[in-house]
Amino acid sequence: NAGVTQTPKFQVLKTGQSMTLQCAQDMNHNSMYWYRQDPGMGLRLIYYSASEGTTDKGEVPNGYNVSRLNKREFSLRLESAAPSQTSVYFCASSEYRGSTAPLHFGNGTRLTVT
Amino acid sequence: QKEVEQDPGPLSVPEGAIVSLNCTYSNSAFQYFMWYRQYSRKGPELLMYTYSSGNKEDGRFTAQVDKSSKYISLFIRDSQPSDSATYLCAMSQTGANNLFFGTGTRLTVIP
Repeated sequence: NAGVTQTPKFQVLKTGQSMTLQCAQDMNHNSMYWYRQDPGMGLRLIYYSASEGTTDKGEVPNGYNVSRLNKREFSLRLESAAPSQTSVYFCASSEYRGSTAPLHFGNGTRLTVT
Repeated sequence: QKEVEQDPGPLSVPEGAIVSLNCTYSNSAFQYFMWYRQYSRKGPELLMYTYSSGNKEDGRFTAQVDKSSKYISLFIRDSQPSDSATYLCAMSQTGANNLFFGTGTRLTVIP
């Protein structure tokens, strides 16, 4: 039962470096999401993909780009990392679109930008 | 003002105690209310899902929604050390694309 798989689990970047966070789900879900979790801020939505072929901005999209590669995979790219992007990033999926659908989360990527 | 307010704790209780976790919110349009449990170094997992006002029970867990007071609660009966985790409330409204999360309450159940 893999569910939602995120890679890598940990990453340290220098300011200005780029990287892509990978996410894949095996539940045949239609919608996928990227959140960041920061102390005192809770989970905040970065980008989401309601269905294959579509992506939309969430609450905090600046500095990020996404790609819905196919129904299973949704990647998050940091083009020029900044210390403010130090966070724990969670990918999630849901069976149907919309904020009312229960989310299934991966176990996160812990990113530090120095 | 944040959309969702949640006391971060931490909260420590002895094994067997009844635990009450709470969130308040400001948006009267919220109709869907969820509780997620997050163990250390893991992703959140859905614990309870309720629509509109009322109570929902699942084993040792009971979720309550009071829309008139904009207040939701999660009760854990006969708490166990395995319940030690951070509990996140979340809520949304019909037609919206975003789910609003509380900051989480960290709970420790002491054997």
